[in-house]
Amino acid sequence: SAVISQKPSRDICQRGTSLTIQCQVDSQVTMMFWYRQQPGQSLTLIATANQGSEATYESGFVIDKFPISRPNLTFSTLTVSNMSPEDSSIYLCSVEFGGPTGELFFGEGSRLTVL
Amino acid sequence: GQQVMQIPQYQHVQEGEDFTTYCNSSTTLSNIQWYKQRPGGHPVFLIQLVKSGEVKKQKRLTFQFGEAKKNSSLHITATQTTDVGTYFCAGLDSNYQLIWGAGTKLIIKP
Repeated sequence: SAVISQKPSRDICQRGTSLTIQCQVDSQVTMMFWYRQQPGQSLTLIATANQGSEATYESGFVIDKFPISRPNLTFSTLTVSNMSPEDSSIYLCSVEFGGPTGELFFGEGSRLTVL
Repeated sequence: GQQVMQIPQYQHVQEGEDFTTYCNSSTTLSNIQWYKQRPGGHPVFLIQLVKSGEVKKQKRLTFQFGEAKKNSSLHITATQTTDVGTYFCAGLDSNYQLIWGAGTKLIIKP
């Protein structure tokens, strides 16, 4: 298992600003994932972050809007840039164990409200 | 794109009644995972099913994976207040992409 610390846990931001969410894992992991979960909805994968390489973004998400850093095997950040109210959501980082098809462990999430 | 359909969206039950949620994929899945998300919480892994026709139990929870590896179900016997939350299935497709169901919210009637 893994302990995943995410911060901030919640924030209220103004339109047009940017916010960086941090994700710290208590052990080294190869792949980290960033998800978005809008209120009452399912999870949508934003991107996969591997250490030492560019993140891989899913359809509908671009690096300019959601830049990701992965400086080492235990840490990653997701920035939500130039925010609008439509970006209000919960952002979750996750890691997998047990191989590439293994279970996912999630951080507690960052609840973002954009006014 | 590939989808995993999950029904129902909500289920209201009296405490002590049973609860079932179903997931269906249009294509064969490599495996299917189930997660539980408590209100205000994050998804927590429950189980992974890999084999065709597999059935696994965790106390009052029974998980099934269909023979064709296209459908799955989660059944909870005699629900308790601690079961409240949203249950998600997530299927791994042939491209090793994890496809999430929409979730079923279990609500216990007061």
